Amino acid sequence: DIQMTQSPSSLSASVGDRVTITCRASQTIGTSLSWYQQKLEKAPKVLISAASNLHNGVPSRFSGSGSGTYFTLTISSLQPEDFATYSCLQTYTAPWTFGQGTKVE
Amino acid sequence: QVQLQESGPGLLKPSATLSLTCNVSTVSMTGNYWSWIRQPAGKGLEWLGRIFPTGTTDYNPSLKSRVTMSIAIYKHQFSLTLKSVTAADTAVYFCARASPGKIGYYFDSWGRGTLVTVSS
Repeated sequence: DIQMTQSPSSLSASVGDRVTITCRASQTIGTSLSWYQQKLEKAPKVLISAASNLHNGVPSRFSGSGSGTYFTLTISSLQPEDFATYSCLQTYTAPWTFGQGTKVE
Repeated sequence: QVQLQESGPGLLKPSATLSLTCNVSTVSMTGNYWSWIRQPAGKGLEWLGRIFPTGTTDYNPSLKSRVTMSIAIYKHQFSLTLKSVTAADTAVYFCARASPGKIGYYFDSWGRGTLVTVSS
């Protein structure tokens, strides 16, 4: 199974800050990686697919990059509604696996 | 906009079998994978498995032989069965649609989730 390791597990930030979350895969996954935002254990919402493609309707302050085993999600200027938990997901091969999540508080 | 809705019992006794159904409001279920994902309180998301409209399945090996998924495209439903549940299976269970992206798949639609508690 491919393990996805996210860091940090939590971070403290302020409105206007630039925030970067990383996700490392235990083996190469190309760009088969997506990022999700979740608030209070409600249904997650997709932000980024294929490592860097912004999903429809997602603000442009969110961006994703990376390939192979190293990926990042960046929020260029944190807004009040961005305080949430962010998770990565690899769909390169089954079993699909999530990172453990990063709580932005 | 496709909508998904989970249904099933909220409370189960240990060793029982959990059965959940996801109703999908879409004209067609073809071309997508349909998955179950769960989340214990305060923990991360765990992918349980996926099913294609042809009936092809892949499961999380951590569930070993306890999990089965099925699909009824003419009823716009897919289901999860988890045998021999324990307290460790207590979680919010989500159903979700995985759509093909430029590369790989991603979950673009989710149900609201249903809390399943295993307790005697």
